[in-house]
Amino acid sequence: DTGVSQDPRHKITKRGQNVTFRCDPISEHNRLYWYRQTLGQGPEFLTYFQNEAQLEKSRLLSDRFSAERPKGSFSTLEIQRTEQGDSAMYLCASKGTSGADTQYFGPGTRLTVL
Amino acid sequence: QKEVEQDPGPLSVPEGAIVSLNCTYSNSAFQYFMWYRQYSRKGPELLMYTYSSGNKEDGRFTAQVDKSSKYISLFIRDSQPSDSATYLCAMIQIYNQGGKLIFGQGTELSVKP
Repeated sequence: DTGVSQDPRHKITKRGQNVTFRCDPISEHNRLYWYRQTLGQGPEFLTYFQNEAQLEKSRLLSDRFSAERPKGSFSTLEIQRTEQGDSAMYLCASKGTSGADTQYFGPGTRLTVL
Repeated sequence: QKEVEQDPGPLSVPEGAIVSLNCTYSNSAFQYFMWYRQYSRKGPELLMYTYSSGNKEDGRFTAQVDKSSKYISLFIRDSQPSDSATYLCAMIQIYNQGGKLIFGQGTELSVKP
């Protein structure tokens, strides 16, 4: 399978716990994006990487959120001290180097914070 | 005011109907326009991708962009029950913005047999 993959697909956690999600992009894509989608809304941009460099973070990304892409391949998104408001679908997307390239999304990780 | 506005629906049509989905936007710097389809509890899937004003056709789907009115549309001809999904419009401002997508709210479509 050469698409974007995400793990886990579902995560249920208790408030205050830390969670980490993983995204594996399409192998030749150098840009990787994280989005968050709540019920009934479109995805909202969180952050993106070009290779291993994190180039932009949305104001939605509070201090409890951190993302890494250490070798320019897979990426992780960690949420510390989860809150019920963090419950959402976390989507990862990747794209190639051309400005005209489109983003391809993974299946998402659905987080439920109890 | 959101940068991209999309009627959330839900929209229910009989099989075979022509469906029209629309988005308006406020940022004239948007250069690329996409339509994504999202089935329940899945990631968005790219349907159509356009750059200039005008029409682009792909099978039963036609994307229309009117930059002067800041208005984009997606038409689905001969709609099928398998078209039942949420349709998301998305836009990109390429320069100095990293290519991040700005999405509309999504329109939930149901095609009844």
